[in-house]
Amino acid sequence: DSGVTQTPKHLITATGQRVTLRCSPRSGDLSVYWYQQSLDQGLQFLIQYYNGEERAKGNILERFSAQQFPDLHSELNLSSLELGDSALYFCASSLLGSGYTDTQYFGPGTRLTVL
Amino acid sequence: KNQVEQSPQSLIILEGKNCTLQCNYTVSPFSNLRWYKQDTGRGPVSLTIMTFSENTKSNGRYTATLDADTKQSSLHITASQLSDSASYICVVSLLTSGTYKYIFGTGTRLKVLA
Repeated sequence: DSGVTQTPKHLITATGQRVTLRCSPRSGDLSVYWYQQSLDQGLQFLIQYYNGEERAKGNILERFSAQQFPDLHSELNLSSLELGDSALYFCASSLLGSGYTDTQYFGPGTRLTVL
Repeated sequence: KNQVEQSPQSLIILEGKNCTLQCNYTVSPFSNLRWYKQDTGRGPVSLTIMTFSENTKSNGRYTATLDADTKQSSLHITASQLSDSASYICVVSLLTSGTYKYIFGTGTRLKVLA
């Protein structure tokens, strides 16, 4: 158990809908990262937040957005969902946000299925 | 283009044997290289993190090497166990515009047989 929690575990929705994925980092960790893992594209870095502020942005679509709240939990919002958004979404956390040699601890993931 | 390529795609070995997984990258500017182990359907678990100045780093039976000149890394697993069956993912970080981003390889799927 990494100490990172994600809810829900599974989510099934329809195209065009909007969903919110939630992540609680390990106690004391200030950084949260979001990743998408699909069968055809593997793992992709989406976005990082550090202590409430956006720190780095990867291959995140404009239909997706995220935020980190004062209690350091984070939410990833996915809107206008398409079939291709079906994937495992992982959240990770780390103590700092430098990314240099910060160990990232991954949560169990949320499996999103768009029908 | 920033890319990370891993080989082989899949590998089957007998329990107790050693194996080596490869990672080649064309990421620039390079910051660090990470190896993760991912069991099916679960989140990746960090094995090693190496900066450009480090040649080797070990974590138990896992030893990673890095040659920053040739942009190659390898992960050596010694005395494999059934529990080593998983995907192994190489990730290269780059520092761009003052922030770190992460480029993932597609992974090597390892199966250890009894």
